[in-house]
Amino acid sequence: EAGVAQSPRYKIIEKRQSVAFWCNPISGHATLYWYQQILGQGPKLLIQFQNNGVVDDSQLPKDRFSAERLKGVDSTLKIQPAKLEDSAVYLCASSLVSLAGADTQYFGPGTRLTVL
Amino acid sequence: SQKIEQNSEALNIQEGKTATLTCNYTNYSPAYLQWYRQDPGRGPVFLLLIRENEKEKRKERLKVTFDTTLKQSLFHITASQPADSATYLCALPPTDTGTASKLTFGTGTRLQVTL
Repeated sequence: EAGVAQSPRYKIIEKRQSVAFWCNPISGHATLYWYQQILGQGPKLLIQFQNNGVVDDSQLPKDRFSAERLKGVDSTLKIQPAKLEDSAVYLCASSLVSLAGADTQYFGPGTRLTVL
Repeated sequence: SQKIEQNSEALNIQEGKTATLTCNYTNYSPAYLQWYRQDPGRGPVFLLLIRENEKEKRKERLKVTFDTTLKQSLFHITASQPADSATYLCALPPTDTGTASKLTFGTGTRLQVTL
């Protein structure tokens, strides 16, 4: 079974530039998550999709970050314009279903973003 | 607000010994708790889930305990090996069951197993 795919793996940009990350979840997984992980910290949820609808985006800085999941499969996360504090690893994860119980989340390798 | 605490200092142990990592939480009564492993340059990998009505869960050399009175989970690796060296993250669901699949992660504890 193929895992969660992300691209690019690394990205270096200057502040105020734009950047986009792509994620392809595990086939059949209805729930998709984007996390931001700053060095030395745990992952912080930015946005959660259930199929192509947003379940939770309470921690997404909506003035500069946007995400979409068209057709309920692949997803893109965009930052426009980037700030220095956006330097982090952006992780995509997926899970089979969103239940009231507990989901195992499967993570991709992440995209390491450096903003200069 | 809910708070999750993991020892931010690295844990260094000798091969063959038992490693014990701690996850404490406050202002919170989670229905379950998960543990993940993260290697450098990789995403977290799920290890174990323990529910509030379970005191202990085992998987091979791994053991997790969940004390809802102390608001603490302990993660044990017995007969540790250098390959166990990684950062271990605990994760908890929200208090609002409407977003039950959302997880909040601790900062993680780095484990270093030496020969």
